[in-house]
Amino acid sequence: KAGVTQTPRYLIKTRGQQVTLSCSPISGHRSVSWYQQTPGQGLQFLFEYFSETQRNKGNFPGRFSGRQFSNSRSEMNVSTLELGDSALYLCASSLLTAFTGELFFGEGSRLTVL
Amino acid sequence: AQSVTQPDIHITVSEGASLELRCNYSYGATPYLFWYVQSPGQGLQLLLKYFSGDTLVQGIKGFEAEFKRSQSSFNLRKPSVHWSDAAEYFCASQGGSEKLVFGKGTKLTVNP
Repeated sequence: KAGVTQTPRYLIKTRGQQVTLSCSPISGHRSVSWYQQTPGQGLQFLFEYFSETQRNKGNFPGRFSGRQFSNSRSEMNVSTLELGDSALYLCASSLLTAFTGELFFGEGSRLTVL
Repeated sequence: AQSVTQPDIHITVSEGASLELRCNYSYGATPYLFWYVQSPGQGLQLLLKYFSGDTLVQGIKGFEAEFKRSQSSFNLRKPSVHWSDAAEYFCASQGGSEKLVFGKGTKLTVNP
């Protein structure tokens, strides 16, 4: 069965712009989580969506937002981009909640902010 | 708040040698514990997980990990490393209703 698909894989933006990243979970998975990965901070939890509802949120500013659609696909948006937002953004899906089971990760969307 | 520490940022071993990657967690009770592996340009893949029961857990690709409550550790081991094991390894913990917390990772280099 198909894995977690993230698009786009690579993108370059400039400061002040906004970006939308997309994640299609494994079929049947209802939970989608997003993580930011940087060399300095490692993997940091952004938020988790389950059945179109945000269940948990990490310590990121309001510029980072997300949503989940009825087919479990998820998008995250970053507005007013800053240089520090350059990172690999990873999406992970799981059958139920992300916090008690195995996470299946996509290959990530690498964002570069110039 | 819970935390995960991976003391070794980078480890180099020779192919065929044994491997142990260290992981220490900080949580009031026993959390769920995980090891993930990330190959260059890839997402993370779960190697193994510990919820309860037998403290020695077997995972994929010949890896195993041992939970030691007294040391708050969950070290990953492999008896004989293959060149394809070169990757970055992340330990993670999840306690109660808190979010999954990852360590900073250990990068493994395998020399021929």
